[in-house]
Amino acid sequence: ETGVTQSPTHLIKTRGQQVTLRCSSQSGHNTVSWYQQALGQGPQFIFQYYREEENGRGNFPPRFSGLQFPNYSSELNVNALELDDSALYLCASSWEAGDGYTFGSGTRLTVV
Amino acid sequence: QKEVEQDPGPLSVPEGAIVSLNCTYSNSAFQYFMWYRQYSRKGPELLMYTYSSGNKEDGRFTAQVDKSSKYISLFIRDSQPSDSATYLCAMRANPGLAGGTSYGKLTFGQGTILTVHP
Repeated sequence: ETGVTQSPTHLIKTRGQQVTLRCSSQSGHNTVSWYQQALGQGPQFIFQYYREEENGRGNFPPRFSGLQFPNYSSELNVNALELDDSALYLCASSWEAGDGYTFGSGTRLTVV
Repeated sequence: QKEVEQDPGPLSVPEGAIVSLNCTYSNSAFQYFMWYRQYSRKGPELLMYTYSSGNKEDGRFTAQVDKSSKYISLFIRDSQPSDSATYLCAMRANPGLAGGTSYGKLTFGQGTILTVHP
């Protein structure tokens, strides 16, 4: 069973609203990454945190932001939601960046 | 052009068949290669992880990497209905070549939906 848990599993928001998605990594995993997976597509890298600092970012606008906490939990925040933000959001963690990542089951976000 | 192209499209095979899944890539910085399996409503699960050209075998699964051709494959022998899932190839650059803005980033193919019927 995966050691990465995400909450909530499903979420419906209205365009323009803000959302916070949460992830709890395996103990000892210093690296956490967030990915967006649109229906029928592969996951797209949003950003990565290593020991509470962002150290990599994909082609996503600044309204996508994140935090990583000392207790191996992390958050993805999205402001000013757009319809195209509807997707499965995945959290992945590893001991160090570059190890094999363990993914959570994701949060399915629907923006209406 | 996408950095990683995955084919074939949806694949339906009988139980016991050998399945071949393929990805090509254009970025020479990619040095680490992975295959993930994703069941419906679940996150991707790491199947194979390799960084050298050649073959790596794990049970019924064999991962093949050809860096000179920028081509990777996953073979599944004696396929089972429980193998029915979406298979994703993923790649990562060498940290020294990745650059500060994409360190650790995995670049995925678009996935292949595999159905193994009894």
